[in-house]
Amino acid sequence: AQSVSQHNHHVILSEAASLELGCNYSYGGTVNLFWYVQYPGQHLQLLLKYFSGDPLVKGIKGFEAEFIKSKFSFNLRKPSVQWSDTAEYFCAVNKGSNDYKLSFGAGTTVTVRA
Amino acid sequence: ETGVTQTPRHLVMGMTNKKSLKCEQHLGHNAMYWYKQSAKKPLELMFVYSLEERVENNSVPSRFSPECPNSSHLFLHLHTLQPEDSALYLCASRQDFDSNNEQFFGPGTRLTVL
Repeated sequence: AQSVSQHNHHVILSEAASLELGCNYSYGGTVNLFWYVQYPGQHLQLLLKYFSGDPLVKGIKGFEAEFIKSKFSFNLRKPSVQWSDTAEYFCAVNKGSNDYKLSFGAGTTVTVRA
Repeated sequence: ETGVTQTPRHLVMGMTNKKSLKCEQHLGHNAMYWYKQSAKKPLELMFVYSLEERVENNSVPSRFSPECPNSSHLFLHLHTLQPEDSALYLCASRQDFDSNNEQFFGPGTRLTVL
């Protein structure tokens, strides 16, 4: 079965610091990759997605992620975080070619201190 | 109303009660999902519907009973729940069951079973 690992459970950093959240998955074939964010009290929202093409994907709010196929990784980055980036971040994967299931990581809580 | 809505947002019930969770999507999507979100665990897929037909029942106990009367509405009927069923229940929709698109999530129902 597909599994998704997020390396950090909780990350605490100061405003203007750089952020990188790790995500690795276990499936060896074609994949579609997603990062979702859940702000306190709000619903899960899509930050960015990768289906094919340029492995460096840019999303909303200054986030980007890089797909490295050889490492089965899809790490999320933001060069300079803001207090409003405090949220829980989820990596999700489904197999390419019409897989209806989305496998999620356990999430990483990011706390940004002003 | 836009996106995916869920009611109620919070629910407290005893183990002998019967209650229902409601989800409605206003996106014209054809696939709908129920997930269980517990703290520090990956989202657990419970049920998937495509055009009102259930295509996935992910080993969910029978005390959870889904219903999809049309492609815009999804219910989760609850009966004789256990305290360990306390969690955030998320509904999501997707354009099509077998398309390469992201899922859109509702805000969830926070369920507490006493």
